[in-house]
Amino acid sequence: QKEVEQNSGPLSVPEGAIASLNCTYSDRGSQSFFWYRQYSGKSPELIMFIYSNGDKEDGRFTAQLNKASQYVSLLIRDSQPSDSATYLCAVSGLDKLSFGAGTTVTVRA
Amino acid sequence: GAVVSQHPSRVICKSGTSVKIECRSLDFQATTMFWYRQFPKQSLMLMATSNEGSKATYEQGVEKDKFLINHASLTLSTLTVTSAHPEDSSFYICSAHLGGTEAFFGQGTRLTVV
Repeated sequence: QKEVEQNSGPLSVPEGAIASLNCTYSDRGSQSFFWYRQYSGKSPELIMFIYSNGDKEDGRFTAQLNKASQYVSLLIRDSQPSDSATYLCAVSGLDKLSFGAGTTVTVRA
Repeated sequence: GAVVSQHPSRVICKSGTSVKIECRSLDFQATTMFWYRQFPKQSLMLMATSNEGSKATYEQGVEKDKFLINHASLTLSTLTVTSAHPEDSSFYICSAHLGGTEAFFGQGTRLTVV
């Protein structure tokens, strides 16, 4: 079982719609959870982090964490063509981050 | 946010030569830096953890004699790909953590071995 798994995608959504990304993790002791966005040929950039159960909102982005289910998600509201990228879920272990394989999102104009 | 600078952004080298990649934390001290490799359409794979003043910790399957890591100061870690071969062509990315576990990434280095 992979440490961090994401829905495989690709995910195609129309402009203005909500994009929903899911991630599950295997280490129940994980404490910190991150969503990174990576444009093609570029390095990842942090868009959200969440430590506590529940929702965390930042602009058009909402991260949701459920530690009991070992599940973290990212919602992108009012999707824009500039949101087209690969989104990486990362989970913090004792001393390093483990990344999911990423979900590629395409926002259709 | 914190800035991590990686250089060069792109390098093409001949098979059998060595290439050095630098990773600097510009506005904070990083006792630990991480080196990742990413092949096309794949996720980041951790290669090694670079520790200032001590030996790097390599992930399973990563050849430490091929991928030399030096972390000589609190702001600089280097990765040297020795005797590079075409299969080493990849996107190499470094990161450093500020405070907790939030990672800041360098710009990445696209290595092409011909």
